[in-house]
Amino acid sequence: KQEVTQIPAALSVPEGENLVLNCSFTDSAIYNLQWFRQDPGKGLTSLLLIQSSQREQTSGRLNASLDKSSGRSTLYIAASQPGDSATYLCAVPSGSARQLTFGSGTQLTVLP
Amino acid sequence: GAGVSQSPSNKVTEKGKDVELRCDPISGHTALYWYRQSLGQGLEFLIYFQGNSAPDKSGLPSDRFSAERTGGSVSTLTIQRTQQEDSAVYLCASSLLAGGATQYFGPGTRLLVL
Repeated sequence: KQEVTQIPAALSVPEGENLVLNCSFTDSAIYNLQWFRQDPGKGLTSLLLIQSSQREQTSGRLNASLDKSSGRSTLYIAASQPGDSATYLCAVPSGSARQLTFGSGTQLTVLP
Repeated sequence: GAGVSQSPSNKVTEKGKDVELRCDPISGHTALYWYRQSLGQGLEFLIYFQGNSAPDKSGLPSDRFSAERTGGSVSTLTIQRTQQEDSAVYLCASSLLAGGATQYFGPGTRLLVL
């Protein structure tokens, strides 16, 4: 059974810092890995999807990397802003329905 | 275009009552998923619909939970005889294709069972 872990559970940084969020998964036979953002009381917003054949995916100040063999992904956020404050979740499709298995998330606070 | 929509956004009910939650997926998306997000449990898969195929119900926690998808579009999740432990945010997602395509989530329905 696929298990997804995210560390740290919470992170607080001053505005302008670069930061890295970590995600690990136990079964390396994944199709892809997706990073989401969740604001309080809201649904999930898809940030990046990395296919299993890719090593990196970039969108603006966000860069996600994938190392299948080690079962790890990182989300790099450059020049953080207070508006980046949210919970960040990683997820991989698994099971017969390719349903997403989620990590427990990293709650990010960017201080002005 | 419009994203995934869900209704109601909030629902408060008494223990033992039945509730229905609705999801409108993105037009043209063939795959639809229901998830539940609760404190201490994180995000859990409930049920999956793909086109006209039989749904994958492997994530439903009990037989009090059921769902249907009419005409390959709108889906309704029904919880019968609600219990306090059913209190959670119920999220719906759709994707253009099955097999691990990007899933787009709705805003969720916050259910509170008193």
